Amino acid sequence: RKEVEQDPGPFNVPEGATVAFNCTYSNSASQSFFWYRQDCRKEPKLLMSVYSSGNEDGRFTAQLNRASQYISLLIRDSKLSDSATYLCVVNKKAAGNKLTFGGGTRVLVKP
Amino acid sequence: EPEVTQTPSHQVTQMGQEVILRCVPISNHLYFYWYRQILGQKVEFLVSFYNNEISEKSEIFDDQFSVERPDGSNFTLKIRSTKLEDSAMYFCASSDRTAGDYEQYFGPGTRLTVT
Repeated sequence: RKEVEQDPGPFNVPEGATVAFNCTYSNSASQSFFWYRQDCRKEPKLLMSVYSSGNEDGRFTAQLNRASQYISLLIRDSKLSDSATYLCVVNKKAAGNKLTFGGGTRVLVKP
Repeated sequence: EPEVTQTPSHQVTQMGQEVILRCVPISNHLYFYWYRQILGQKVEFLVSFYNNEISEKSEIFDDQFSVERPDGSNFTLKIRSTKLEDSAMYFCASSDRTAGDYEQYFGPGTRLTVT
């Protein structure tokens, strides 16, 4: 089983709509969770950290379910500029602070 | 806003040659990392570095790879004898333990092409 699994998509989303997708992780020792955004051939950019209580940043809401080992991201009122690949990332916070990336979920927002 | 910078943006080299990829992490960060992404694949961890030594390295980071912080600002990745399969995007990242959950910030990457 892959350490971090994501539906690759693409999720085709009408502008203004809401889209949500999940990510599952296999290592229960994982301690920190993040969503990064990656545009084509660009670097991953931190979108938000994911906390146990769930957190919101503007139109973006992240949830963490430790019991089921999944993380979700919801995007409300989608903008054309939200088109990107969303990377689910976990960190075991071991000595090296290594990030483990999922393969990404591609989102295409269309007018 | 502080950012991680990397040079060069694109490096073309012949198989067997040595390359050095350079990074300038965010100035007050203490933890440094290299990741790579082969075209069409996921981002993979290579190595983490703290207090002038390697904290963790992946299986990819074999004897052909080395890292160094030659001065107070630069962080380098050296590949001694490049192989075709080293062709990838190499990202440097840095973090500060006081920034939330050690959130890592990535540079724009160096595209390495080995011919």
